Amino acid sequence: GQQVQQSPASLVLQEGENAELQCNFSSTATRLQWFYQHPGGRLVSLFYNPSGTKHTGRLTSTTVTNERRGSLHISSSQTTDSGTYFCAIGGTGGYKVVFGSGTRLLVSP
Amino acid sequence: EAAVTQSPRNKVAVTGGKVTLSCNQTNNHNNMYWYRQDTGHGLRLIHYSYGAGSTEKGDIPDGYKASRPSQENFSLILELATPSQTSVYFCASGDGLGVRGEQYFGPGTRLTVL
Repeated sequence: GQQVQQSPASLVLQEGENAELQCNFSSTATRLQWFYQHPGGRLVSLFYNPSGTKHTGRLTSTTVTNERRGSLHISSSQTTDSGTYFCAIGGTGGYKVVFGSGTRLLVSP
Repeated sequence: EAAVTQSPRNKVAVTGGKVTLSCNQTNNHNNMYWYRQDTGHGLRLIHYSYGAGSTEKGDIPDGYKASRPSQENFSLILELATPSQTSVYFCASGDGLGVRGEQYFGPGTRLTVL
C-alpha cells in the first residue's frame, strides 16, 4: 500500500528561524495535502497541492510528483506555529487518503 | 467555511458495550472519512464513504462498522468496544477526485474504553 514518510519527526526552532518539512511517498499520487494540528487537537488544512508551488503568508508548499516528494517551508517562524504538521496523500483513482506520522514543531521565544 | 461536526466530543465506554460516533457535514461533499489518531501512528483510515448508502473499508476496519444514511451524516459503530479502541476519532468530508480534493475535519471525539 501507499507509504508516506515525513521528516524530521520533531523540530525545535528559535522564533524567527525558518523550517523545512519533508514528505516522501511511495508511489505516484494525485493529491498531496498538508495539515496543521493545533496543540489542542484541531486539524486544519493548510494546502491542497498536487503539484508545483503554492504560497500563503509565511508558508510555501512545493510538490514534485514525479520525484514522489513534497515539502512545507515555514519562514520567520513564530511561537504560534508550534504544533504538528501532517502530510497526506491520495492515490490515483481512489478515495483513500494516507497520512504520514507528522512532524512535531516547537518554536520557542 | 466548510463545517464538520462530531458528537459526542468525549465518551467513556465499558468493554463489550456498543458505541456510536456521529458526524455531520454541511459542505454537500460526497466523500466522508473516519480516522483514528494514536500517539506514534498519525491518522489511520478506518472507513470511508463516497455517497449516501455506501461504506468502504479503510486500512484498519476490524472492530468497526460504518453507516452513511444520508449525504450529511456518517456514523462509526463499535459493536463490542475494547480497550484497544481507546483513541481520538476524527471525521472528515471532502470533494474526492474533484479539482480541490481537500478534506475538512471535525473537532474529534475522545473515546476511552475501560
